[in-house]
Amino acid sequence: RKEVEQDPGPFNVPEGATVAFNCTYSNSASQSFFWYRQDCRKEPKLLMSVYSSGNEDGRFTAQLNRASQYISLLIRDSKLSDSATYLCVVPNTGTASKLTFGTGTRLQVTL
Amino acid sequence: DTGVSQNPRHKITKRGQNVTFRCDPISEHNRLYWYRQTLGQGPEFLTYFQNEAQLEKSRLLSDRFSAERPKGSFSTLEIQRTEQGDSAMYLCASSPTRGVQETQYFGPGTRLLVL
Repeated sequence: RKEVEQDPGPFNVPEGATVAFNCTYSNSASQSFFWYRQDCRKEPKLLMSVYSSGNEDGRFTAQLNRASQYISLLIRDSKLSDSATYLCVVPNTGTASKLTFGTGTRLQVTL
Repeated sequence: DTGVSQNPRHKITKRGQNVTFRCDPISEHNRLYWYRQTLGQGPEFLTYFQNEAQLEKSRLLSDRFSAERPKGSFSTLEIQRTEQGDSAMYLCASSPTRGVQETQYFGPGTRLLVL
């Protein structure tokens, strides 16, 4: 099983739609998780951190299910500007070192 | 601009040549990371520095790759005898030392094309 797995998409949704992405991880000891956003040919930027059951920031909600070892990202009222790749990220447990990224899920929001 | 900076932003080289990339982290960030990203994939960890000490290296970092952070500030990543498979985006990130896992802030990357 890959350390972090995501559906690569693309997810094509109309403006205003609600869309959800899932991500599964293999290390049951992982405590914290991140969603990063990456625009085409740009660097990844932190979107949300998930440390407990979930986190909400405006139109974005991240949820964590430890029993099933998956994290989800829900985007409500999608905007054209939400079009990007969303990377699920699991930090290494223990010392502060590497981040393990999923392949990313590509979202295209259309008119 | 107080973000992570990387130079050059683009590099085209011929197979067999050596290349060196530079990363300037956010000032006062003690931790510095190098990642590599190929098309359609997420970034993959290469190596990590705490101040000037290189504390972890991925097995992806073959003996043709070397990274340094001599004074605990900027870092360089050198690839010797480049191969076409080295073509990728090389990303640098930095983070402060306030906890076990702090947010990593990424630079714009250096895009390498090996012909």
